[in-house]
Amino acid sequence: DAKTTQPNSMESNEEEPVHLPCNHSTISGTDYIHWYRQLPSQGPEYVIHGLTSNVNNRMASLAIAEDRKSSTLILHRATLRDAAVYYCTLWDMRFGAGTRLTVKP
Amino acid sequence: DTEVTQTPKHLVMGMTNKKSLKCEQHMGHRAMYWYKQKAKKPPELMFVYSYEKLSINESVPSRFSPECPNSSLLNLHLHALQPEDSALYLCASSQDRVGNSPLHFGNGTRLTVT
Repeated sequence: DAKTTQPNSMESNEEEPVHLPCNHSTISGTDYIHWYRQLPSQGPEYVIHGLTSNVNNRMASLAIAEDRKSSTLILHRATLRDAAVYYCTLWDMRFGAGTRLTVKP
Repeated sequence: DTEVTQTPKHLVMGMTNKKSLKCEQHMGHRAMYWYKQKAKKPPELMFVYSYEKLSINESVPSRFSPECPNSSLLNLHLHALQPEDSALYLCASSQDRVGNSPLHFGNGTRLTVT
């Protein structure tokens, strides 16, 4: 099974950038990298996904290492509403423990 | 609001009851998923349907019985559950089962087994 590892928790100050790392050393050549986040009392929400190149959308950016064994989700200016658990997954859609992001005002 | 609708939002059932959870999407997605999530834990994959056929069963006990009557609907039939089955049950869908298809989640059914 594909497997990802992330730090348990991270903190950020409001309006500062946040870099959330994910290791996926067993990734295969065709595995897409997906990121989701889960706010309290809600289902997970899709954030971004990519294969090899860096990706940007209105929510975040995804930076993928050249060897694809790791990736980083970048929130350019954290807001209090970005406080959530962030999960990175590979093609099999099995979730690891995720990173709990706390945003301080 | 999400594009994946789950009903009911909350369910309390006894260990001898039979109940069903329902999930509906109208995005034309052909893959649908059930996840179980305990408090402060990540979602745990239970079942995957692809084109209305069961493609993954993560060794889930038979007291959980999934059903996909058509491409828009996914049910989870529950029978003789245990208190440890109390959890948030999440449904998700994706365009198909290829890696380029993100998951769309509902907000879940919070199940309590008494």
